[in-house]
Amino acid sequence: GEDVEQSLFLSVREGDSSVINCTYTDSSSTYLYWYKQEPGAGLQLLTYIFSNMDMKQDQRLTVLLNKKDKHLSLRIADTQTGDSAIYFCAEREEDSSYKLIFGSGTRLLVRP
Amino acid sequence: DAGVIQSPRHEVTEMGQEVTLRCKPISGHNSLFWYRQTMMRGLELLIYFNNNVPIDDSGMPEDRFSAKMPNASFSTLKIQPSEPRDSAVYFCASMTGSLGYTFGSGTRLTVV
Repeated sequence: GEDVEQSLFLSVREGDSSVINCTYTDSSSTYLYWYKQEPGAGLQLLTYIFSNMDMKQDQRLTVLLNKKDKHLSLRIADTQTGDSAIYFCAEREEDSSYKLIFGSGTRLLVRP
Repeated sequence: DAGVIQSPRHEVTEMGQEVTLRCKPISGHNSLFWYRQTMMRGLELLIYFNNNVPIDDSGMPEDRFSAKMPNASFSTLKIQPSEPRDSAVYFCASMTGSLGYTFGSGTRLTVV
């Protein structure tokens, strides 16, 4: 079945760039998403990319999609302590209009 | 727009009691999802509705769990009887189109 995998933990120094990686298995995924979850809160949509794109930039966020390798990454430039959170990658199934499959989340810790 | 509204925010109940979680989706969103989040299993999709109709309930763990969506602005997730292993954060999310889900703040359920 469909699966989305992420590394569990990433630690960076404030001001550095963070790169969070994700791999997925469903080659027919139409949209891929990045969500952020802060402690005690729900998941917040950060950005998404359509499968016919290979890059999307939104302020400090850059999403790269390698469809051949089924690899998605989220780069956060000039990482701040407020970026510390859990980041979830998700794919939208082609044959199900609305169902998202989430990865297990990557916990980002930003050290001052 | 008040976003997706869940109630209660926290629920502590004794094993064997009935628990009802509530969700009000964003107006105009035609899909609604119930997720459960635990440390061990991450985010699990329990059930989702499209235009108030249950589409996929394969994630509902047992017959003790049931969900309803009597109209476009309200859904409930009921657990009866509750067990300690049901302790988790339960999220409701709604969606329209391709822009991903909007999550509520969740209900933290503790069954003692």
